[in-house]
Amino acid sequence: DTEVTQTPKHLVMGMTNKKSLKCEQHMGHRAMYWYKQKAKKPPELMFVYSYEKLSINESVPSRFSPECPNSSLLNLHLHALQPEDSALYLCASSQILGNQPQHFGDGTRLSIL
Amino acid sequence: AQKVTQAQTEISVVEKEDVTLDCVYETRDTTYYLFWYKQPPSGELVFLIRRNSFDEQNEISGRYSWNFQKSTSSFNFTITASQVVDSAVYFCALRYSSASKIIFGSGTRLSIRP
Repeated sequence: DTEVTQTPKHLVMGMTNKKSLKCEQHMGHRAMYWYKQKAKKPPELMFVYSYEKLSINESVPSRFSPECPNSSLLNLHLHALQPEDSALYLCASSQILGNQPQHFGDGTRLSIL
Repeated sequence: AQKVTQAQTEISVVEKEDVTLDCVYETRDTTYYLFWYKQPPSGELVFLIRRNSFDEQNEISGRYSWNFQKSTSSFNFTITASQVVDSAVYFCALRYSSASKIIFGSGTRLSIRP
């Protein structure tokens, strides 16, 4: 079991749906990350939050909307996604934004119909 | 350029063999950090090791060992007496001091056959 918990584990949604991915950690980490990973590819950074503030947005389309309601929670709101957005979405956290190791969750496998 | 290259796309060995996964990196920074992560079929990335650019000591942790050589910009990972549970995709990654993100290599898929 990982210390970063992601829900749901699997999600299938239509292009007109609105859904959210959730990530939770209770390690007291103050930096949290969203990555997207396509099959047989490395993870690609999407967003970074540091002390609940958005620190990095890697030019992600606005149909992905991150939210950090508190230091333990990170959400990714999805709306009007495209089939090419189907991927594994990984959440990670680290003590602070720096060179500490990032701890990853199991990911959410998202399929867009 | 800041880059991580894992030239081995896939490796398959028989259980109990030793196997080395190669990682070559490029960075202009003098301060940087290198990482290895393991991604089993379940999906999560498991942190294995972090090494900073000023520490060239090799490290051993059980059956795992890492060889960091700045002269060749390499950070190779060896599994001794491999086991089926070692089957996974392994990613080498780089974070240089002036950046806020990790650069991952393309990964090496390791299959250990019984």
